Amino acid sequence: GEDVEQSLFLSVREGDSSVINCTYTDSSSTYLYWYKQEPGAGLQLLTYIFSNMDMKQDQRLTVLLNKKDKHLSLRIADTQTGDSAIYFCAFLRGYQKVTFGIGTKLQVIP
Amino acid sequence: DADVTQTPRNRITKTGKRIMLECSQTKGHDRMYWYRQDPGLGLRLIYYSFDVKDINKGEISDGYSVSRQAQAKFSLSLESAIPNQTALYFCATILPLNRGHRETQYFGPGTRLLVL
Repeated sequence: GEDVEQSLFLSVREGDSSVINCTYTDSSSTYLYWYKQEPGAGLQLLTYIFSNMDMKQDQRLTVLLNKKDKHLSLRIADTQTGDSAIYFCAFLRGYQKVTFGIGTKLQVIP
Repeated sequence: DADVTQTPRNRITKTGKRIMLECSQTKGHDRMYWYRQDPGLGLRLIYYSFDVKDINKGEISDGYSVSRQAQAKFSLSLESAIPNQTALYFCATILPLNRGHRETQYFGPGTRLLVL
């Protein structure tokens, strides 16, 4: 969506860390999400963060939120080939609508 | 059993035909959404509903209509399909914030629609 920007493509080597970035314009977002979409499948919620948090860690996933710069990132530690997918950031706006980024395709090279 | 199911999973139709995409959910959620996914455009909201009597337009509602027959069912119709409606369509549900659960969405597996 035009209110959310993501890079289209990211390639990393297996075992390295991946960082997927997202910038947004609506500072009123309350929940910020990361979704994973594997080929031929729907979206799977990976993790989320409340807007009053700066960081959230969930196993290999770390979400960082910089509210000043309106920047959200997802770090995947020890990236595996099974992490190859499209990753969407998304934002809950006004407690009603979720706006999605265009998705970043992560390619993990063995 | 899947939380959100969509039928059909794949559909090919011709320009001008009316088609309906069905969505059912077993989560008991009030809110249901229809999105379409196009390469390079992410997901865009078509319609959403907060309960059986509530229908709201999303970003791209033109050419579509919806029906919320019951809390568990939310159908999307293309009254007269056109080729630029070729896309992947997702139904989703969401938990209301006041239930004390984490806010999240559950997505169906998607319906791939091709309009010739």
